[in-house]
Amino acid sequence: QSALTQPASVSGSPGQSITISCTGTSSDIGGYKYVSWYQQHPGRAPKLMLYDVSNRPSGVTNRFSGSKSGNTASLTISGLQAEDEGDYYCNSYTSSSTLVFGGGTRLTVL
Amino acid sequence: QVQVVQSGAEVKKPGASVKVSCKASGYTLTDYYMHWVRQAPGQGLEWMGRINPNSGGTNYAQKFQGRVTMTRDTSISTAYMELSGLTSDDTAVYYCARGDYSSGLYIDYWGQGTLVTVSS
Repeated sequence: QSALTQPASVSGSPGQSITISCTGTSSDIGGYKYVSWYQQHPGRAPKLMLYDVSNRPSGVTNRFSGSKSGNTASLTISGLQAEDEGDYYCNSYTSSSTLVFGGGTRLTVL
Repeated sequence: QVQVVQSGAEVKKPGASVKVSCKASGYTLTDYYMHWVRQAPGQGLEWMGRINPNSGGTNYAQKFQGRVTMTRDTSISTAYMELSGLTSDDTAVYYCARGDYSSGLYIDYWGQGTLVTVSS
């Protein structure tokens, strides 16, 4: 199972919106609704930000939203804030009953 | 409160095995899947596998099949991950992490991580 494909980096200014893509195959993202996104700050454990493509866990701001089209999922962060800076990883369930992460995207808030 | 507490850092020689433990508190171990995820220095997250602590059933990433074993001891609310045939490429922080109650596919609580260093 190959890692899902994410851009290595994205950037945006405070207040702007950014979107991070995550591309897989019909055996993972395209085949299931079980797509999630994690945020990780340096030296910290990851934090779940979205699950089931677009659902937010309790406590996650509605500035984070998600979508999926075909084999590609997307994470959008609106009203960018300095605290959003960090690494973002997508994750999907697969046809092998396993999970797979994306390679990660470094978000820089300019 | 929910906590997942891992064993301490390990230094191993190439070819050796390592066994990392993960003690759950604040919830019932058998009610939630336990995942294992690793992160090499400066690299991304890599899912290794998960165990259903109730049944003992496991799912492993293909990359680790034959080299990883996930077990649990429900009497002490502890899960284990053993990785054999270590090489320098296995140097990483290893996380155990609790799967969500509904599907078990999302990770809602993470351990603090265990650094495993493989060096001759």
